[in-house]
Amino acid sequence: GIQVEQSPPDLILQEGANSTLRCNFSDSVNNLQWFHQNPWGQLINLFYIPSGTKQNGRLSATTVATERYSLLYISSSQTTDSGVYFCAVRYNTDKLIFGTGTRLQVFP
Amino acid sequence: DAGITQSPRHKVTETGTPVTLRCHQTENHRYMYWYRQDPGHGLRLIHYSYGVKDTDKGEVSDGYSVSRSKTEDFLLTLESATSSQTSVYFCAISGGQAAYEQYFGPGTRLTVT
Repeated sequence: GIQVEQSPPDLILQEGANSTLRCNFSDSVNNLQWFHQNPWGQLINLFYIPSGTKQNGRLSATTVATERYSLLYISSSQTTDSGVYFCAVRYNTDKLIFGTGTRLQVFP
Repeated sequence: DAGITQSPRHKVTETGTPVTLRCHQTENHRYMYWYRQDPGHGLRLIHYSYGVKDTDKGEVSDGYSVSRSKTEDFLLTLESATSSQTSVYFCAISGGQAAYEQYFGPGTRLTVT
């Protein structure tokens, strides 16, 4: 089956710093989503981005489907950005396959 | 936010007892999913539904059954709970404007003692 790998597994930042999270996948995909799981466990949709680039405030995402990766950019990080970031891909089925996540801690 | 609720939000039960978790949506979406989340494994699909009375297995379906008698409700049943089923369970839905974009409920923390 398809493999979804995220890097780095852990990231520690000071407030105001920028960061890039990466998601690699081993096969062609039909769509890709980025989620943020906050410290209270809630899973929040960030982007639905099978290809191209999208921006939402301080966050942006780029998926290069032909090269099988997606990037999530966080600029001017805030403590509320802390949590775990997941990418998930769908290929040939109705199901999402999740990566194991990047744990981000932002300190004031 | 998508209209998804899960009940109960927390449950402690004993090994061998039956447990049913409920997912309710107000979006009239076609697809509904049950996942479990465990440390070191991320989210893994248990079962999903692509319509009323239409369900299929995910990657970790052993020990679980599901039912969907109405569009808005998707039930997950542990017939005889085991300690290995201690986990956080998430329901998700999809089928809106972006047909396969999934939205998640708040989760149910289940502890089997």
